Amino acid sequence: DAKTTQPTSMDCAEGRAANLPCNHSTISGNEYVYWYRQIHSQGPQYIIHGLKNNETNEMASLIITEDRKSSTLILPHATLRDTAVYYCIVRVANQNTGNQFYFGTGTSLTVIP
Amino acid sequence: DAGITQSPRYKITETGRQVTLMCHQTWSHSYMFWYRQDLGHGLRLIYYSAAADITDKGEVPDGYVVSRSKTENFPLTLESATRSQTSVYFCASSGTSGGYGYTFGSGTRLTVV
Repeated sequence: DAKTTQPTSMDCAEGRAANLPCNHSTISGNEYVYWYRQIHSQGPQYIIHGLKNNETNEMASLIITEDRKSSTLILPHATLRDTAVYYCIVRVANQNTGNQFYFGTGTSLTVIP
Repeated sequence: DAGITQSPRYKITETGRQVTLMCHQTWSHSYMFWYRQDLGHGLRLIYYSAAADITDKGEVPDGYVVSRSKTENFPLTLESATRSQTSVYFCASSGTSGGYGYTFGSGTRLTVV
């Protein structure tokens, strides 16, 4: 099972920042936090990942707490196209089979006009 | 074209029939994965493969068979389809390190009647 906890759903006003929380209190020291999103009927799309430092790319920012037990994905200026299900995943590394991802049910983000 | 492709896009089959879902990637990625997605369950890992001729079970392998004779192909076979296998199936691949996570295909919507 996925080792993360996320709210089931959230709303965000268009143009405002969307802050999506994720709890991963049992994360191990060498496990990364990944975020994906899935727009309706499409395959999931990679957004960002991090280990302990905050990360930023053209899509989003990832803030990881100092104890690494939780993180927040920030979409700085949400648009209607950001309406999707967002998955927070802790990477389980297996030496023999590579990096397996276990997805939970994610957070359904609705951006409201 | 480069990328990961799944076929067919849609499939309807009868209970008890064998059906094979195809997945093809052009990046020579070592790792390939099959997920199914059902309402209320998010994405669940069925099988994965670290390289040609190396496969292993995920969370929900029962009723499915995989093979990987070539790096670029990872077909998923339902040997005797059941209604409970009605789902959307996603294939994914990643490079050796998986540093940027997975790239997903567009999915196959399978209906078993």
